[in-house]
Amino acid sequence: AAGVIQSPRHLIKEKRETATLKCYPIPRHDTVYWYQQGPGQDPQFLISFYEKMQSDKGSIPDRFSAQQFSDYHSELNMSSLELGDSALYFCASSLSPGVSYEQYFGPGTRLTVT
Amino acid sequence: RKEVEQDPGPFNVPEGATVAFNCTYSNSASQSFFWYRQDCRKEPKLLMSVYSSGNEDGRFTAQLNRASQYISLLIRDSKLSDSATYLCVVNKRGSYIPTFGRGTSLIVHP
Repeated sequence: AAGVIQSPRHLIKEKRETATLKCYPIPRHDTVYWYQQGPGQDPQFLISFYEKMQSDKGSIPDRFSAQQFSDYHSELNMSSLELGDSALYFCASSLSPGVSYEQYFGPGTRLTVT
Repeated sequence: RKEVEQDPGPFNVPEGATVAFNCTYSNSASQSFFWYRQDCRKEPKLLMSVYSSGNEDGRFTAQLNRASQYISLLIRDSKLSDSATYLCVVNKRGSYIPTFGRGTSLIVHP
């Protein structure tokens, strides 16, 4: 079965650079979530989109922005990167809220900021 | 106090053992409950949703106790491949934003 696709899988950036992470949800899933997971931490919710509209916002820094496109894929844009942004970034997708709350995670993008 | 609490473990058990994890949640408005499994440096994978009536999937059984505000996961006949971190996830009523527990580490040894 098709899963959530994330690219790139690994990314190395320097401080103050920008990065763009991409997420392709499971077919027919119209809801996308972004999470940040630091070493030894549980995933922290950043932001979510439903039907191409931002639906909820968590602990996403102002330096980050995201959007969902007409084909339901989503991109997380990160600017002025800091050392503390180094983490695993997961995207998850689900069916519409109210239909199912089960989220399926992609393999993640490992971001290293040097 | 975190909204979702789990014993971090590790739970160290021999193959074939039965092991149980509990997870407590503080928000009585919580409505949806899940167990995820996460291997080191990999993505969380949905193990099972937890229903009010309890549910079973092979060697795994999940229970919900609303009165005491906890969910449990029972693993029977543990396999080496069950070694992982088990994350408890809770959604508040009407919200699809999950709250994760810190996870319980399970190590199954020969």
